[in-house]
Amino acid sequence: DTGVSQNPRHKITKRGQNVTFRCDPISEHNRLYWYRQTLGQGPEFLTYFQNEAQLEKSRLLSDRFSAERPKGSFSTLEIQRTEQGDSAMYLCASSFSTSRGETDTQYFGPGTRLTVL
Amino acid sequence: KQEVTQIPAALSVPEGENLVLNCSFTDSAIYNLQWFRQDPGKGLTSLLLIQSSQREQTSGRLNASLDKSSGRSTLYIAASQPGDSATYLCAVRPSTNAGKSTFGDGTTLTVKP
Repeated sequence: DTGVSQNPRHKITKRGQNVTFRCDPISEHNRLYWYRQTLGQGPEFLTYFQNEAQLEKSRLLSDRFSAERPKGSFSTLEIQRTEQGDSAMYLCASSFSTSRGETDTQYFGPGTRLTVL
Repeated sequence: KQEVTQIPAALSVPEGENLVLNCSFTDSAIYNLQWFRQDPGKGLTSLLLIQSSQREQTSGRLNASLDKSSGRSTLYIAASQPGDSATYLCAVRPSTNAGKSTFGDGTTLTVKP
């Protein structure tokens, strides 16, 4: 078990460009979460998946943001037409939820730091 | 809307001191509460998870308590060490067990040798 991995670790882009981040969860985990964190703040929830289904999206996730989790394994988060305000650390986490809805600990990846120039 | 507050925002203590970090939340209808540690520029490391039916959890020098009725949790660190220096965050999950966890902004702890 190698934990949650995220790629790339750092991304610098120019305003208006599109970027895509990838998250590979712990293999047996059926839930996957995306958060955004800015300096000095706690993580803010963006969206989460149960297997391949996207079950909840934050109002923070504007129409420029899209997330997918094909086949219920890895997930991608795409930001279109990036803005300077999108600069942040994007964190992915995974956990296991039983059929009875019991949910265990969230395990976080190292994050992808996005800088929009 | 759930709001999570952590006070103080920063704390500095000498090595060896016992200390308590505080987390308060406005909606007591929670599924669980989790404490994390975050080192600068890194992801979050889970420390302790307390289910809503539990009152406390312990791991090594750490003890976390939960009082749902008052909307409070504390993280007790015994015999602090310089390696404990980090930002400590608490997160609450709603009783619906939906995916959304609400985080506080953390307490940045510095343990001086």
